[in-house]
Amino acid sequence: GQNIDQPTEMTATEGAIVQINCTYQTSGFNGLFWYQQHAGEAPTFLSYNVLDGLEEKGRFSSFLSRSKGYSYLLLKELQMKDSASYLCATPDSWGKLQFGAGTQVVVTP
Amino acid sequence: DAGVIQSPRHEVTEMGQEVTLRCKPISGHDYLFWYRQTMMRGLELLIYFNNNVPIDDSGMPEDRFSAKMPNASFSTLKIQPSEPRDSAVYFCASSSRLAGVSTDTQYFGPGTRLTVL
Repeated sequence: GQNIDQPTEMTATEGAIVQINCTYQTSGFNGLFWYQQHAGEAPTFLSYNVLDGLEEKGRFSSFLSRSKGYSYLLLKELQMKDSASYLCATPDSWGKLQFGAGTQVVVTP
Repeated sequence: DAGVIQSPRHEVTEMGQEVTLRCKPISGHDYLFWYRQTMMRGLELLIYFNNNVPIDDSGMPEDRFSAKMPNASFSTLKIQPSEPRDSAVYFCASSSRLAGVSTDTQYFGPGTRLTVL
């Protein structure tokens, strides 16, 4: 398996920055996805990294280091609506997405 | 596009009953995936289809589970007989390619919340 590891929960205040780390096994790497899932809803795509470095999309950025088997999702200027679970996922050698357990981000006023 | 459509959104049934979950993928997507999500096990892939053909069903928990895709716009996941431990949210997702082949991502339906009493 891909052995994806991410923290269970993180809490931060409105307007702050939170960084969600994700580590994975590096064998057969085919890119790394981040999904957002609000309670009771479906996961929705946030970002995809296949090359090293930082990719920025508005308030959200995703970073990848292939040699270290490490990625992070950076959420800036946190808003209450950012309270959700954030799932890290990477395809196995057959192209099937393997998901981490998710990191629950709680944004407080 | 309407996105991936699933029905029913909620299903409550009694142990031993047959349950059928339905999915309509996004038009033009060649891949369809069935996932199950629970607090204990997270999001697990059960089975996926390519061009209506089942490619990998290694995630199907046991023979009580079966899935079909009779045409490009419809798939079913059936549980017979259902058990309380099958209680979960079942998601259907579709994509135009497999993850890792391109940046194409999977689009998830709203899910079916199944409760087996």
